[in-house]
Amino acid sequence: EVQLVESGGGLVQTGGSLRLSCAATGFMFSSYEMNWVRQAPGKGLEWVSYISGRSSMTDYADSVKGRFTISRDNAKNSLYLQMNSLRGEDTAVYYCARDFGSYDSTGYLRRMDVWGKGTTVTVSS
Amino acid sequence: DMQMTQSPSSLSASVGDRVTITCRASQTISHYLNWYQQKPGKAPKLLVYAASSLQSGVTSRFSGSTSGTDFTLTISSLQPEDSATYFCQQGFRTPYTFGQGTKVEIK
Repeated sequence: EVQLVESGGGLVQTGGSLRLSCAATGFMFSSYEMNWVRQAPGKGLEWVSYISGRSSMTDYADSVKGRFTISRDNAKNSLYLQMNSLRGEDTAVYYCARDFGSYDSTGYLRRMDVWGKGTTVTVSS
Repeated sequence: DMQMTQSPSSLSASVGDRVTITCRASQTISHYLNWYQQKPGKAPKLLVYAASSLQSGVTSRFSGSTSGTDFTLTISSLQPEDSATYFCQQGFRTPYTFGQGTKVEIK
């Protein structure tokens, strides 16, 4: 079964750090790009970060750029998000999501087709 | 960044009704538009990708269409299990952006 399981969330003080992990099973992890997406309490979805299959490309939302670092270990089938200088507005459920791409006649179609159940990060002063 | 504007923000409809949710992109994104369903306390679930392609395993009650920068998700005959929040998302380029969501309730 294709599955993503996040861990590492918790309560942290403003300015603190946290490292989230996402364990992948049931598919060839190294062949897929991956994303982190978050959802603040009662709010919508916000894309946070992206990483290519071999880690050659990464990208971040402006709201986390310079504070968060995405990485992966394909040997361990794991995705990570190192979060530093945490702020109250980083409080959210953090999901990892597989980035599935396919070609049609016009280009490369991306969608997030597999999601974990999420891990909750609470930043408190 | 590309803005995705969804409407309505919420709706209430009866079982069997045809329901339509609209998403408008602030820039041309061709057909790089995905739709997700999220139930309370659960992760989002991919319903439709590339504007009109139904994700494997998703009921054919759901369909997507596009007209220029306007995209539509249609539920042909609303069922109780369709009570959820629906999000559009542009997959054209990062930063990926989502619509603000449409909450669908059953009357």
